[in-house]
Amino acid sequence: SQELEQSPQSLIVQEGKNLTINCTSSKTLYGLYWYKQKYGEGLIFLMMLQKGGEEKSHEKITAKLDEKKQQSSLHITASQPSHAGIYLCGADPKAGGTSYGKLTFGQGTILTVHP
Amino acid sequence: NAGVTQTPKFRILKIGQSMTLQCTQDMNHNYMYWYRQDPGMGLKLIYYSVGAGITDKGEVPNGYNVSRSTTEDFPLRLELAAPSQTSVYFCASSYQGSGNTIYFGEGSWLTVV
Repeated sequence: SQELEQSPQSLIVQEGKNLTINCTSSKTLYGLYWYKQKYGEGLIFLMMLQKGGEEKSHEKITAKLDEKKQQSSLHITASQPSHAGIYLCGADPKAGGTSYGKLTFGQGTILTVHP
Repeated sequence: NAGVTQTPKFRILKIGQSMTLQCTQDMNHNYMYWYRQDPGMGLKLIYYSVGAGITDKGEVPNGYNVSRSTTEDFPLRLELAAPSQTSVYFCASSYQGSGNTIYFGEGSWLTVV
């Protein structure tokens, strides 16, 4: 089965600083999802990556999938208190056929941004 | 936009009681999922459905049952609640599964005492 390891497990930064969260897979990633979770608000979809070398950005958040498709990174530029929360990566284990979107998740990275 | 709606948001159960977590989506999605999230852990798949009348087990199905009589609804039934089922439960949906955005509800916090 596929396993995802996120690093760091927690991160405390000062407002305005850049930061990176990594998600490393034990197997090839066929689809990598990034979500943000805030208490009481469920998971908010950020981005989905499928192709090796793919990079997507939304506002100040950029996600990349490496060429070998075994690691993804999430980069936040000029962090703000509104970026605080838990960031989760989820992998679609599809290999050949379809996995029906059954995601395997990393354990999450807790981000705290001090004003 | 309602999206994926879960009820109840919070519930306390006694050991041995049963209950149903409700999930409904208004996006006409074929695929629906139930996950649980334990403290400090990622989400684990309990059950999923690829359409009305079709359900299948995920990684941690023991102690749960599901049904999918309509496209919109995917209730999760807990039979004989145990303390190990204390968790946050998330329902999710997607139009066609793999390669599509998967939308999550806001979660249901369940405590079994």
